[in-house]
Amino acid sequence: AQKVTQAQTEISVVEKEDVTLDCVYETRDTTYYLFWYKQPPSGELVFLIRRNSFDEQNEISGRYSWNFQKSTSSFNFTITASQVVDSAVYFCALSERVYSGGGADGLTFGKGTHLIIQP
Amino acid sequence: ETGVTQTPRHLVMGMTNKKSLKCEQHLGHNAMYWYKQSAKKPLELMFVYSLEERVENNSVPSRFSPECPNSSHLFLHLHTLQPEDSALYLCASSQDSGSLGEQFFGPGTRLTVL
Repeated sequence: AQKVTQAQTEISVVEKEDVTLDCVYETRDTTYYLFWYKQPPSGELVFLIRRNSFDEQNEISGRYSWNFQKSTSSFNFTITASQVVDSAVYFCALSERVYSGGGADGLTFGKGTHLIIQP
Repeated sequence: ETGVTQTPRHLVMGMTNKKSLKCEQHLGHNAMYWYKQSAKKPLELMFVYSLEERVENNSVPSRFSPECPNSSHLFLHLHTLQPEDSALYLCASSQDSGSLGEQFFGPGTRLTVL
């Protein structure tokens, strides 16, 4: 069975500090996809990134960066120079099954990390 | 409207009521999902529809009944719910290629069962 663990329930930092959100996953499959979503107070989940299991390159998008390491089954998310608007709950998610020619699958989510950026 | 919309945004119902949650996606996607988000628990996948056919039901109680009349609309019919069913219910959609595509989420319906 697949599982996603976000050990940090809540993190509080002062604005402009860097912060890393941890995500560890378990899967028996060799083909899988990892995601990060942001959930601001409004409630809507906002897609941030998708990474497939064959691509271990780290990715940077503005102040956001992701470190994918298959050896440790981790997919950590770092925010550099954090801002108050980054305050939200962040979810890491895993999708294990891949269908070709149709079909769909749901995501397995971690419990989320509540990030608080203080001004 | 664009993206994924859900109505109502908030719903309070008694245990004997019957109500329905509605989800509509304007993205041309073929797959739609219902998730439940309870306090201090991970989001739980409830139902998956692909091309209007249910492809997954994660052991959800029968008091939750989904309906997908077309690829743009998804309903969740509720009847004789329990207080522990109070949660945020999120709808999502994606292209019909399994986990290759990202899922786009609606704002959710905050359900309170009295």
